Amino acid sequence: AQSVAQPEDQVNVAEGNPLTVKCTYSVSGNPYLFWYVQYPNRGLQFLLKYITGDNLVKGSYGFEAEFNKSQTSFHLKKPSALVSDSALYFCAVKTGGSYIPTFGRGTSLIVHP
Amino acid sequence: DADVTQTPRNRITKTGKRIMLECSQTKGHDRMYWYRQDPGLGLQLIYYSFDVKDINKGEISDGYSVSRQAQAKFSLSLESAIPNQTALYFCATSDLHNEQFFGPGTRLTVL
Repeated sequence: AQSVAQPEDQVNVAEGNPLTVKCTYSVSGNPYLFWYVQYPNRGLQFLLKYITGDNLVKGSYGFEAEFNKSQTSFHLKKPSALVSDSALYFCAVKTGGSYIPTFGRGTSLIVHP
Repeated sequence: DADVTQTPRNRITKTGKRIMLECSQTKGHDRMYWYRQDPGLGLQLIYYSFDVKDINKGEISDGYSVSRQAQAKFSLSLESAIPNQTALYFCATSDLHNEQFFGPGTRLTVL
């Protein structure tokens, strides 16, 4: 079985400050991890993924995520938040043996001017 | 042009009506998915298809059916719509282990 948790329904951060959106997962085997962003009235857009290799993954719009196997986490980060980063963020996990990713419930990121 | 398109974008219907949501993709992917999004619940998988001859139920398939007419087309039907099927519906595509590409969504309201 595979599962993913996003422990925060909402994250508030001031513009210019660093942001972190948390994600933890549970799988049997090696995880394939993904982050997506959803802007209002839009579909989900892919941000970044970890399949293998370097634990620090860089993605679109200046976002990055760090894979931590011992803590089973894949937190999304950005050094300096923009108001335009305000959106809903989803973490997803699958394994090489599973066909379908499991999505978290989403975290609403609000960046205040 | 968008890689994954959905029609209609918005639909209001009445309880008991049959409706169809359509999805087309130009990504050339074999795998296609239908999801439902409700506030606070994330994405719930309704059906998925790995090729034209392969259809699989997801976690919430009751009350829904699908048709994979071609590699590029995957339709979702509600045979007899009910109010608790009011939601945002997304189609997505992917290849084997990589990210999914989502359509813009269909906002469905069942009165």
